[in-house]
Amino acid sequence: QSALTQPASVSGSPGQSITISCTGTSSDVGGYNYVSWYQQYPGKVPKLMIYEVSNRPSGVSDRFSGSKSGNTASLTISGLQAEDEADYYCSSYTSSDTLVVFGGGTKLTVL
Amino acid sequence: EVQLVESGGGLVKPGGSLRLSCAASGFTFSSYNMNWVRQAPGKGLEWVSSISSSSTYIYYADSVKGRFIISRDNAKNSLYLQMNSLRAEDTAVYYCVRAKISFGGIIVIRYFDYWGQGTLVPVSS
Repeated sequence: QSALTQPASVSGSPGQSITISCTGTSSDVGGYNYVSWYQQYPGKVPKLMIYEVSNRPSGVSDRFSGSKSGNTASLTISGLQAEDEADYYCSSYTSSDTLVVFGGGTKLTVL
Repeated sequence: EVQLVESGGGLVKPGGSLRLSCAASGFTFSSYNMNWVRQAPGKGLEWVSSISSSSTYIYYADSVKGRFIISRDNAKNSLYLQMNSLRAEDTAVYYCVRAKISFGGIIVIRYFDYWGQGTLVPVSS
C-alpha cells in the first residue's frame, strides 16, 4: 500500500483535459510544497514533469499543470494527445523517517 | 549533459548480497544529494535510500533498513548501494537518482531531477 493515494487509471479523448489526484496527509502533501509528478512510459525511465506543486521544468509542455488543495495535489493535462498515454506518479517530501513517499501510480489511457 | 549509469545488477539468491554502482558525469557530483529508487516488476516507484553530498546525512526506507548500505565516493563521482540479506521482495529495477534538496538542519528532498537507466536485480533461488 503506497503512502500517497492515486487513482489506478484515468482516461480521456484527444483534446480533452484530465486531472489525476494524489492524496496524502498533513505530514506530506498537506504540510509542504514539495509535491512532484513523474511521467513513465512502459520500460522507460521516469521523467520529472512538475516540481514543487506547480512548476514545470524546462522542456515540459505547458499542457501539464499542477496544483494543491489541503492534503490533495493534482496534475492536470489539457489538450490530451496520444503521446500523453503513460503512467504518472506523484511524490512528496514527508516529515516521517521515510523522507520521501510516492503514490501508487495512475495509468493514463488516451481513447 | 547529466548522465547516471548504474551497474552491478543481476540474479542473486535469497539471503545473498549484491553491490550496485552508479557512475555520474556532466555535473558536480560532490554538490548533490543522491538516491536509490526502485521499481518492482509491474509495480510503482519506491524510494530506497538517500545520501547527502558529503555523506553526513543518510536515510533508508524501513523496508531496507539494517540490510542495505548507501555510500558514495566523490573523488570517483560514484554512488553505491550494498544490498545484504536479499529477499524475493527486493526484486526490482534500481534507479540512481539525483535530488534537489533544501537544508535547514535536516535534509528536505524537493524533487528528483535526473534518473539513470536502472539496473535489474532479480532475487530468486
